[in-house]
Amino acid sequence: QQQVKQSPQSLIVQKGGISIINCAYENTAFDYFPWYQQFPGKGPALLIAIRPDVSEKKEGRFTISFNKSAKQFSLHIMDSQPGDSATYFCAASINSNSGYALNFGKGTSLLVTP
Amino acid sequence: NAGVTQTPKFRVLKTGQSMTLLCAQDMNHEYMYWYRQDPGMGLRLIHYSVGEGTTAKGEVPDGYNVSRLKKQNFLLGLESAAPSQTSVYFCASSYSRGAMNTEAFFGQGTRLTVV
Repeated sequence: QQQVKQSPQSLIVQKGGISIINCAYENTAFDYFPWYQQFPGKGPALLIAIRPDVSEKKEGRFTISFNKSAKQFSLHIMDSQPGDSATYFCAASINSNSGYALNFGKGTSLLVTP
Repeated sequence: NAGVTQTPKFRVLKTGQSMTLLCAQDMNHEYMYWYRQDPGMGLRLIHYSVGEGTTAKGEVPDGYNVSRLKKQNFLLGLESAAPSQTSVYFCASSYSRGAMNTEAFFGQGTRLTVV
């Protein structure tokens, strides 16, 4: 079953607006929460990641908010640009002897209109 | 720096045929993974390897086999392809447990169609 639930499935935002994508998880053993960005025909690429010991991480226009008690985390894209149009995946993994195998959400297709 | 390279990029198979997908990484990563991506399903883990000579099953391993004879290569095999295996396959690699950088690097994908 899907261990990470992601919403919305698709999102349309005007240029300059804020894009918000939400994810929820059940397994409290997860200790690494990355967001991946994927353009058509390409492999996913790491955008930003957070560990559960902090509640927020910001890198440029991209911010992860993390709520450990609610088992939720979200990606905020400030001042969204047409070049941000892509599919975004949240993921979670456990630091264990089985590697960092990622459990992905189903993805959000973001379209930023001019 | 090539990163993670997958071959082939595209392939069409007939039902029952076999094939091997090759993944090569030049970052000296210990861990390697095979995922499949289907519309509306995200990426699902097929098999993974935590080191040369070791492999393990992921979430959706049925119908696939893997081998990791060399640290830099991870092979995914389909012994008897089925239409349900039509998908985009991604290989990824990462440093081992305890490393400061745990980022997984992905290849460009292999688009496989089984008819």
